[in-house]
Amino acid sequence: AQKITQTQPGMFVQEKEAVTLDCTYDTSDQSYGLFWYKQPSSGEMIFLIYQGSYDEQNATEGRYSLNFQKARKSANLVISASQLGDSAMYFCAMRGHAGGTSYGKLTFGQGTILTVHP
Amino acid sequence: DGGITQSPKYLFRKEGQNVTLSCEQNLNHDAMYWYRQDPGQGLRLIYYSQIVNDFQKGDIAEGYSVSREKKESFPLTVTSAQKNPTAFYLCASSINNLNTGELFFGEGSRLTVL
Repeated sequence: AQKITQTQPGMFVQEKEAVTLDCTYDTSDQSYGLFWYKQPSSGEMIFLIYQGSYDEQNATEGRYSLNFQKARKSANLVISASQLGDSAMYFCAMRGHAGGTSYGKLTFGQGTILTVHP
Repeated sequence: DGGITQSPKYLFRKEGQNVTLSCEQNLNHDAMYWYRQDPGQGLRLIYYSQIVNDFQKGDIAEGYSVSREKKESFPLTVTSAQKNPTAFYLCASSINNLNTGELFFGEGSRLTVL
């Protein structure tokens, strides 16, 4: 069984500053993928960044980077230079072993609400 | 534009009624999924389908049914057997490959039972 834990129900950050959203995971799979999604108040889910368990370098996508620490089973999202439009719910998710029926099946954490103050 | 379309966006139903939520995609994706989201919670998998005419139960399938007669379509029926159906429902799709397995989501359907 896979489990994703996001321990921060809410986070606040000043505009233009960086913020880290925590995510820890638990899995017995040797191969897995970690995802971060953003959910604005409109409800849609927006894919932000992906990290494979065998990727040696931390993933980066623009202002988003994923701080992957495999031994600690953590996959924290770092948002640099926060913008007002970053205010949303953020979900960490995991996909297990990439074989057959596991494709695309994501397990989600509870989410963290990020509020960016001007 | 390519994407996933869910309808209706808002739906009200009386207890004891079945309702069907529509999900259509034009991304030519093989796999489709239904997730349920309760207020302040993460997403939980209801059903998924990796190929036409085949689907599997997710973590919370009781009280729900699906069909996959066409690649583009994956409707979800919330039956009267679902004890607490009021929730936000999200449909998603993905390419079945060995890479990111990224899910693309629709805009969701909000169901309220009166």
